[in-house]
Amino acid sequence: DVKVTQSSRYLVKRTGEKVFLECVQDMDHENMFWYRQDPGLGLRLIYFSYDVKMKEKGDIPEGYSVSREKKERFSLILESASTNQTSMYLCASSPGQAGGNTIYFGEGSWLTVV
Amino acid sequence: AQKVTQAQTEISVVEKEDVTLDCVYETRDTTYYLFWYKQPPSGELVFLIRRNSFDEQNEISGRYSWNFQKSTSSFNFTITASQVVDSAVYFCALISPNTGNQFYFGTGTSLTVIP
Repeated sequence: DVKVTQSSRYLVKRTGEKVFLECVQDMDHENMFWYRQDPGLGLRLIYFSYDVKMKEKGDIPEGYSVSREKKERFSLILESASTNQTSMYLCASSPGQAGGNTIYFGEGSWLTVV
Repeated sequence: AQKVTQAQTEISVVEKEDVTLDCVYETRDTTYYLFWYKQPPSGELVFLIRRNSFDEQNEISGRYSWNFQKSTSSFNFTITASQVVDSAVYFCALISPNTGNQFYFGTGTSLTVIP
């Protein structure tokens, strides 16, 4: 089975703190994604990566950055957390460069910024 | 532009009733893929089904069935004889190779099955 593991399930951070959300997948997938989920807005793509050291902006990249130094690991960074970044963050991965492959999700990280 | 619309925000049914979750999509591509995911209260999105644009056969898996109709750009999901364990948020999604494999999700339908 594909396993996507997010390091923290629940986090509480203060405004202005730097926050790291870590994600690891164990299926040698090329593609990795970070989404944000908010009530009524569904899933919104923050960043994605097709390869090591490669990143592409999604729909809402402002206030976020990412790092992919190894194929299996994709980190989401909030440089200076703000209260409007309180949300659930979902990491996902999918195989290959060809289209239409199924995307697999982690359990999510609930971030509260106070 | 790619877009997925799930007009039903919340649905409540009594256990054993049938329920259909609607999904309407927009794309100009001829090759695309449609998905349904289930998100239980635990948070993880669980893959349910993947369907490509060239396969309009309906599919049945146990109590679940999917009706794909290109003529109406819909990919609806029916749960027969609903159970409390079906309570979750369900997402429909679209991906097209022409858009770099980026997934487009609907806003989700929250289903509550009342015992």
